[in-house]
Amino acid sequence: GAGVSQTPSNKVTEKGKYVELRCDPISGHTALYWYRQSLGQGPEFLIYFQGTGAADDSGLPNDRFFAVRPEGSVSTLKIQRTERGDSAVYLCASSPTPGQHTGELFFGEGSRLTVL
Amino acid sequence: LAKTTQPISMDSYEGQEVNITCSHNNIATNDYITWYQQFPSQGPRFIIQGYKTKVTNEVASLFIPADRKSSTLSLPRVSLSDTAVYYCLVGEGNTPLVFGKGTRLSVIA
Repeated sequence: GAGVSQTPSNKVTEKGKYVELRCDPISGHTALYWYRQSLGQGPEFLIYFQGTGAADDSGLPNDRFFAVRPEGSVSTLKIQRTERGDSAVYLCASSPTPGQHTGELFFGEGSRLTVL
Repeated sequence: LAKTTQPISMDSYEGQEVNITCSHNNIATNDYITWYQQFPSQGPRFIIQGYKTKVTNEVASLFIPADRKSSTLSLPRVSLSDTAVYYCLVGEGNTPLVFGKGTRLSVIA
């Protein structure tokens, strides 16, 4: 389809392991966002890319979290030494132009991460 | 400091008009008001966005009074498929979206 694609849809891992989550945005969208959503809560901002560069990473909770977008399209969210508190749905969104409040963000279905 | 306040939940019967009001007393001059809808196991979906007065699209209307300290999302003639969580967000430019807990709308047959 033409929407935002996220893989894997589900990931179960053990505490301390390394995890990568992938986001394939809508073709041509220059802005890409990562959010995460815990059970019963609204999504929380993690990081925003404009092109290849991280324009705002103020939402990353600590240095175990890192994200890249090397060619300005696909992005990977990387979590090192996972902890049980990292369990959540990780949502990716893209938009054709920057502006989270001046346009529409297109969200994927998310990657559900469970850390045992 | 919470930017928006909205009811935790609402119930409605099919075919009724539903109005969800969001309070944003501290809205800034450059802030826009945006509503998203989220179904279980899906990402949020943009519904409507406005700055002042009234905005209407094919799925909803957004009413914003002159002081902009609140807004009301109006869903005409809801159906069971409108059962979802609805989020009201305010902000400017490319500042991050702050979702809050949203309003859980349950549509009953």
